[in-house]
Amino acid sequence: GAVVSQHPSWVICKSGTSVKIECRSLDFQATTMFWYRQFPKQSLMLMATSNEGSKATYEQGVEKDKFLINHASLTLSTLTVTSAHPEDSSFYICSARDLAGGGNEQFFGPGTRLTVL
Amino acid sequence: LAKTTQPISMDSYEGQEVNITCSHNNIATNDYITWYQQFPSQGPRFIIQGYKTKVTNEVASLFIPADRKSSTLSLPRVSLSDTAVYYCLVALSSNDYKLSFGAGTTVTVRA
Repeated sequence: GAVVSQHPSWVICKSGTSVKIECRSLDFQATTMFWYRQFPKQSLMLMATSNEGSKATYEQGVEKDKFLINHASLTLSTLTVTSAHPEDSSFYICSARDLAGGGNEQFFGPGTRLTVL
Repeated sequence: LAKTTQPISMDSYEGQEVNITCSHNNIATNDYITWYQQFPSQGPRFIIQGYKTKVTNEVASLFIPADRKSSTLSLPRVSLSDTAVYYCLVALSSNDYKLSFGAGTTVTVRA
């Protein structure tokens, strides 16, 4: 199947700083990528849909000014957590769909563990 | 997005077959049924997808009755490494293929 990578795999930062997480589709192009957040013992929660060349669309309750999403190319989407606070500590996961693959499945990245001190 | 309901947890032993049934009463005509597997601190991994009847791959089988209001994921001869959370999702082919994850089923395989 198609491969999606994330960088970094984990990050620890101080409260008030900003953190950027990258999501890359390694062997396919994706006009749409998705960002999820997962707290311990909970399911994945969709945060936003990242569209190449246009603004991201955010799910209800997700602050767009706090979670900045940029999808500058067909293989890269970035999520920046601005002014991070301890409550933002979570597991962030991206996914992408292979446009040329013909199927409907989404491929997920390995996730990024964010810890805000 | 169609809501799904599946058991919270299931226990099994190595070598047994595990069947997880998911209810999706409000599934729409264009929705596909997809199952993912997730290990702790990893992203979900695609297992299988289907629209109707039966789909089989090297990992699992997916059974979908004619009314499509439910589906059953069948994992043959599970091993300890199959211990994970399994998610059943329905995704509309339009609407950017958004996925809404439910609570999932935690499958624990014992020796």
